[in-house]
Amino acid sequence: DSGVTQTPKHLITATGQRVTLRCSPRSGDLSVYWYQQSLDQGLQFLIQYYNGEERAKGNILERFSAQQFPDLHSELNLSSLELGDSALYFCASSEGTNPSYEQYFGPGTRLTVT
Amino acid sequence: ILNVEQSPQSLHVQEGDSTNFTCSFPSSNFYALHWYRWETAKSPEALFVMTLNGDEKKKGRISATLNTKEGYSYLYIKGSQPEDSATYLCAFNWRGGATNKLIFGTGTLLAVQP
Repeated sequence: DSGVTQTPKHLITATGQRVTLRCSPRSGDLSVYWYQQSLDQGLQFLIQYYNGEERAKGNILERFSAQQFPDLHSELNLSSLELGDSALYFCASSEGTNPSYEQYFGPGTRLTVT
Repeated sequence: ILNVEQSPQSLHVQEGDSTNFTCSFPSSNFYALHWYRWETAKSPEALFVMTLNGDEKKKGRISATLNTKEGYSYLYIKGSQPEDSATYLCAFNWRGGATNKLIFGTGTLLAVQP
């Protein structure tokens, strides 16, 4: 158990809908990262927050947004969902922003868009 | 485009065999190299983070080396056991990019037959 929690574990929704994925980092970790893993691709970095502020952006679509709250939990919002958004979404956390810090991954949320 | 390549894509070995995999990454602007172990239906688990050329890290029967000048890292498993069966991912941070943004390879899938 990494100490990172994600809810829900599974989510099934229809095209055009909006969903929110939630992540709580390990105790003491200030950085939260979101990753997407689609069937035909490896882990793709979406976005990073550090202590409430956006720190880095990756291949995140404009239909997606995220935030990190004062209690350090984070939410990833996915809107106008398309079939291609079906994927496993991971959240990870680390102590800070130094690249030498290990990232600890949560169990993931499997999103299915029908 | 920054690319991380891993080889082989998959590997089948017998219990007790020793094995190794390769991770290749851009050698310029190197910052850190991460190795993760990802078992089916679980989340990626951090194995090593390496930052210096010539770094060698060890955890039990698993070890890793790093060559930043030529852009590769090796992961070795000595005396493979069935519980070592997993996908082994490497991920790369580079200077000049977003801090702690990881670029992942597609992994090496290891299957250890008892």
